[in-house]
Amino acid sequence: KQEVTQIPAALSVPEGENLVLNCSFTDSAIYNLQWFRQDPGKGLTSLLLIQSSQREQTSGRLNASLDKSSGRSTLYIAASQPGDSATYLCAVNGEDDKIIFGKGTRLHILP
Amino acid sequence: NAGVTQTPKFRILKIGQSMTLQCTQDMNHNYMYWYRQDPGMGLKLIYYSVGAGITDKGEVPNGYNVSRSTTEDFPLRLELAAPSQTSVYFCASSSGSHYGYTFGSGTRLTVV
Repeated sequence: KQEVTQIPAALSVPEGENLVLNCSFTDSAIYNLQWFRQDPGKGLTSLLLIQSSQREQTSGRLNASLDKSSGRSTLYIAASQPGDSATYLCAVNGEDDKIIFGKGTRLHILP
Repeated sequence: NAGVTQTPKFRILKIGQSMTLQCTQDMNHNYMYWYRQDPGMGLKLIYYSVGAGITDKGEVPNGYNVSRSTTEDFPLRLELAAPSQTSVYFCASSSGSHYGYTFGSGTRLTVV
């Protein structure tokens, strides 16, 4: 059974700092991994999708890496801004076609 | 583009009542999913479907039923609502295993 863990559960950093969010998964038989952002009371916005054959993906100030063999992914946010404050979720798409989510990391950027 | 549309956005049910949460996508996606999200608990997979006529259980299927008679629609049925089913429900769709997923805006359900 796939289990997805995100560390830390919550994080507060001053504006301008670079930060890393972590996601680990127990079953490496995956098709891809996707990072989402969720603002309070809102739906999910896709940030980055990494296929199992890829090592990383970049979009603007965001960079996501994937180490499938060790069951880990990181989301790197450069030069953080108050608008980055949100909950960040990682989701693993397994070869059983089930997409399993972590519990998320609540990020607060201090102005 | 409408993407994934969920209705209703909000609903209050009494214990024992039944209802159907609607989910429709206009992207011709074969794969569709239902999740529930409880505070601090992330999203839990309820049911999913890899194509019309095919459905399968996720992590927390008890108390729910689904059907997939068309590619576009994937309704979620609650037969006997219980307070434990108070949650926010999200529907998602995807072109397939190697593609990303698109989410609807959610249905906030309260059972009293």
